[in-house]
Amino acid sequence: DIVMTQSPDSLAVSLGERATINCKSSQSVFYSSNNKNYLAWYQQKPGQPPRLLIHWASTRESGVPDRFSGSGSGTDFTLTITSLQAEDVAVYYCQHYDRTPFTFGPGTKVEIK
Amino acid sequence: EVQLVESGGGLVKPGGSLRLSCVASGFTFTHVWMSWVRQGPGKGLEWVGRIKTNTDGGATDYAAPVSGRFTMSRDDSKNTVYLQMNSLNVDDTAVYYCVAGSPFEYWGLGTLVTVSS
Repeated sequence: DIVMTQSPDSLAVSLGERATINCKSSQSVFYSSNNKNYLAWYQQKPGQPPRLLIHWASTRESGVPDRFSGSGSGTDFTLTITSLQAEDVAVYYCQHYDRTPFTFGPGTKVEIK
Repeated sequence: EVQLVESGGGLVKPGGSLRLSCVASGFTFTHVWMSWVRQGPGKGLEWVGRIKTNTDGGATDYAAPVSGRFTMSRDDSKNTVYLQMNSLNVDDTAVYYCVAGSPFEYWGLGTLVTVSS
């Protein structure tokens, strides 16, 4: 099974500043057959279900603000929130979806400093 | 508008059973792989299981902690996916989310399952 890890566990960022979350998979989730990384990012606000932000490691879902961006390939990935807004306070999870079990990272809590 | 509405959660004693249902609308259900994801109190997200479309053979896969105890099924005539949960234990206490797609594009609001004596 692929193990997903995230760092840091939590971070506090001032409004308007950058937040960077790292995600690492124990095995590559890149497939050369289609040149895709099977890596997604989710945002979960308190009391709400998660929301898919990014898939294929860097493709934003419709309606997701462009201050959210994903990067990386293979086993190392990053979610960046440029210019953090108050509504971005949430827990962020990475997940691989190339094969079961579809494991999630443990989550990174983003707060306002 | 896409909607996933879960039901069937509740309080059950250890060793008991529950069946969760999820009714989908707003998308072509027959074309979409469905999953269940759970979240224990104060914990992270845990994938539970997935069922492919009937076109893809309707195959199911489960996470190790639930394999052999939980069973997913789907009724395309009712746009509904089910999760039959047997031999429940306290570690199964969680909010159970019905999820559509891969990756998980659409989520229900969840239904709470509490396993306690």
